[in-house]
Amino acid sequence: QKEVEQDPGPLSVPEGAIVSLNCTYSNSAFQYFMWYRQYSRKGPELLMYTYSSGNKEDGRFTAQVDKSSKYISLFIRDSQPSDSATYLCALTLYSSASKIIFGSGTRLSIRP
Amino acid sequence: KAGVTQTPRYLIKTRGQQVTLSCSPISGHRSVSWYQQTPGQGLQFLFEYFSETQRNKGNFPGRFSGRQFSNSRSEMNVSTLELGDSALYLCASSLGAGGVTSYEQYFGPGTRLTVT
Repeated sequence: QKEVEQDPGPLSVPEGAIVSLNCTYSNSAFQYFMWYRQYSRKGPELLMYTYSSGNKEDGRFTAQVDKSSKYISLFIRDSQPSDSATYLCALTLYSSASKIIFGSGTRLSIRP
Repeated sequence: KAGVTQTPRYLIKTRGQQVTLSCSPISGHRSVSWYQQTPGQGLQFLFEYFSETQRNKGNFPGRFSGRQFSNSRSEMNVSTLELGDSALYLCASSLGAGGVTSYEQYFGPGTRLTVT
């Protein structure tokens, strides 16, 4: 069983739609939860991070963590064509915070 | 502030050869992590160096090794290349002082390695 499972997509939605991206994980010891965004031919960039259950909002983006269900989500409101990218969920432990475990990534396309 | 740089950007090698990839972190960052990205396995952690010492290691064979210099620049070496080593190799730098300073990583553009 993989440590983190993520639906690879691809996911295509019209501009302005609300996008929901999800991951599940198996190890309850994970304590830090992140979302990275990767544009084509670029390295990933950190989008959001959190270390507790609940919601964290940043502009059009909301990260949600449910530790009891081992489930993490990223919501994008008012999606824009510039949001078209691959989104990777990522987790790490307190004891080895640099050793990031990534999901396989969901390829998202926003249609104008 | 300059970003993470990786050289070379593209590389073609033959099976059995060895290769060395280079990474220059953001100024002031002491941690450099290396990742392998493939379509089948995704982004996988190779190892992390902090202050010239390997601090974390992923599940890769010993053919994959690395080192870090006193100026925080890092190199990754793969010996006896196999076809399956064809991948995008990404390095990432961070302050590395634990917590968010460790998992807030800044990635370079990667080195695309093709093994024939």
